[in-house]
Amino acid sequence: DIVMTQSPDSLAVSLGERATINCKSSQNLLYSSTNKNYLTWYQQKPGQPPKLLIYWASTRESGVPERFSGSGSGTDFTLTISSLQTEDVAVYYCQQYYSTPITFGQGTRLEIK
Amino acid sequence: QVQLQESGPGLVKPSETLSLTCSVSGGSLSSYYWSWIRQPPGKGLEWIGYIYSSGSTNYSPSLRGRVSISIDTSKNFFSLRLTSVTAADTAVYYCARRPYSRGWFDPWGQGILVTVSS
Repeated sequence: DIVMTQSPDSLAVSLGERATINCKSSQNLLYSSTNKNYLTWYQQKPGQPPKLLIYWASTRESGVPERFSGSGSGTDFTLTISSLQTEDVAVYYCQQYYSTPITFGQGTRLEIK
Repeated sequence: QVQLQESGPGLVKPSETLSLTCSVSGGSLSSYYWSWIRQPPGKGLEWIGYIYSSGSTNYSPSLRGRVSISIDTSKNFFSLRLTSVTAADTAVYYCARRPYSRGWFDPWGQGILVTVSS
């Protein structure tokens, strides 16, 4: 199984500041034939299901604010929120879909400082 | 737009079978993978498995032998059965759609809390 490890487990950032969440996979997620990274990011607010933010590691889902961006390749990935807003308080998960079983990171809790 | 809704018992006794249904509205089941994912209270997400509209399935090895997913494309729903449940199976169970040749889940149902307790 591919193990996904996020860091940090929790993060407190001031409003308007940058938030950075890291995700490391135990195996390469870059599929050579497509040159795509099989990595996605979700945002989960209390009492709600996860919401798709980013797929192919860096493609923003339609309707997701531009302050959210994804980067990285291979085994190391980053979700960046360029200017933290109140509504961004949530738990963020990365997920690999390179191979089954599909696996998620343990989550990173983002709060306002 | 496609919407998913889980339904089923919120309480299951240990050693019994957990059965849930996901009703899909606003679209067809064809040409998608339909998935179950669970989240124990206060914990992270665990993929259970999925079924393609043709009926082919793929399950998590950690649950294989206890889990089965079925689909009824004529009635636009798919189902989860998990046998021999224990307290460790207590979780919010989500159903979600996975596009063919894509790996992400979207949209998701609202989730249903299933508690395993006598």
